[in-house]
Amino acid sequence: QVQLVQSGAEVKKPGASVKVSCKPSGNTFTSYYIHWVRQAPGQGLEWMGIINPSGGSTTYAQKFQGRVTMTRDTSTSTIYMEMSSLRYDDTAVYYCASGTYYDADYWGQGTLVTVSS
Amino acid sequence: QSALTQPASVSESPGQSITISCTGTSSDVGSSNLVSWYQQHPGKAPKLIIHDVSKRPSGVSNRFSGSKSGNAASLTISGLQAEDEADYYCCSYVTSSTSWLFGGGTKLTVL
Repeated sequence: QVQLVQSGAEVKKPGASVKVSCKPSGNTFTSYYIHWVRQAPGQGLEWMGIINPSGGSTTYAQKFQGRVTMTRDTSTSTIYMEMSSLRYDDTAVYYCASGTYYDADYWGQGTLVTVSS
Repeated sequence: QSALTQPASVSESPGQSITISCTGTSSDVGSSNLVSWYQQHPGKAPKLIIHDVSKRPSGVSNRFSGSKSGNAASLTISGLQAEDEADYYCCSYVTSSTSWLFGGGTKLTVL
């Protein structure tokens, strides 16, 4: 069983950047892909991209290309998702999820990012 | 790319069965057998209940089943229980962009 622990809630101003972390439990860091999915208040799920913790390769949804960067720190076995140029409509719960390239069976608890002036 | 199409809401009585549809195109749902379904209760993270169109992860009730025909996938829940009341999302792998595409979600109410 994989557990994903995400960093805490963030409040950012428009135009700022946010960096959310996701730490898989145990020795599972390089075993599974990590997806990032967000959910705006009262809205549906939106896939943002994927990172292979083993080699660091990434694929981003077209909508987020140029604004999102997914990285991993092998020394701390932690995955990061950084989003820049934040807008009000980026207010959402951001989830990391682990699994295959095609689906994810373990999810983090979610990180609320609020963009407010 | 537009989200996959799901009904916004469905409702049924306990013990009955219900099917939730998920309609895409030949570029997503119709292009592979990589369709999954997620269940989400209010305030909780999504849970994978079906992958590869019709496969259930370990621990998921056999009351959940999935299928696909052409550009449309379906989730069927039999023997509805109060705990099944949740939001359900379909998700398809998009081969051309190596990305995921979610449906808009369906709110299931167990009357």
